Amino acid sequence: KNEVEQSPQNLTAQEGEFITINCSYSVGISALHWLQQHPGGGIVSLFMLSSGKKKHGRLIATINIQEKHSSLHITASHPRDSAVYICAVRTTGNQFYFGTGTSLTVIP
Amino acid sequence: SQTIHQWPATLVQPVGSPLSLECTVEGTSNPNLYWYRQAAGRGLQLLFYSVGIGQISSEVPQNLSASRPQDRQFILSSKKLLLSDSGFYLCAWSQGQGLSPLHFGNGTRLTVT
Repeated sequence: KNEVEQSPQNLTAQEGEFITINCSYSVGISALHWLQQHPGGGIVSLFMLSSGKKKHGRLIATINIQEKHSSLHITASHPRDSAVYICAVRTTGNQFYFGTGTSLTVIP
Repeated sequence: SQTIHQWPATLVQPVGSPLSLECTVEGTSNPNLYWYRQAAGRGLQLLFYSVGIGQISSEVPQNLSASRPQDRQFILSSKKLLLSDSGFYLCAWSQGQGLSPLHFGNGTRLTVT
């Protein structure tokens, strides 16, 4: 069993739809990260959170520490949001574990 | 500002040839440094991490090695590449513990022929 599980693996949405990507983890963490990997391969950090909720533009990330679950929401999705979204956790032992990613395609 | 440089961006090497991928970080000191590999359709696999000069921890036994000759330089090497070494290699750094972001280089796409 992987330390970090993401769902869905693949997601296709129409432009404008509300999108949710889920992440569950099984280890004790100090922080959870949401990453975005562009088709060219580069990875950028979207959010880092240890509790509650964070918002940046059309992106919202939430985390429930008790349930060991996090969600990434995209409101009013756009084709430029098409990418692979990766959930990662930093453990209390200072290790990083990664989900296998959710490949999102937003169709105009 | 802090930046991370990784090169080369792409590399095609024959089986049995050596490998050297370099990663440098600017704008910070004593970073934690990481080498990851991402195979097609799979998640990031930690290869090596380092918390200081000359301190390397290996997560996966293989024919790759890593070195940290300077505080902000991390090198991934192999003496003889295998076909199975093909993949996308990413260098990353973070600071300290807890609420410190993980920053990635742009990656190196390695094809072993």
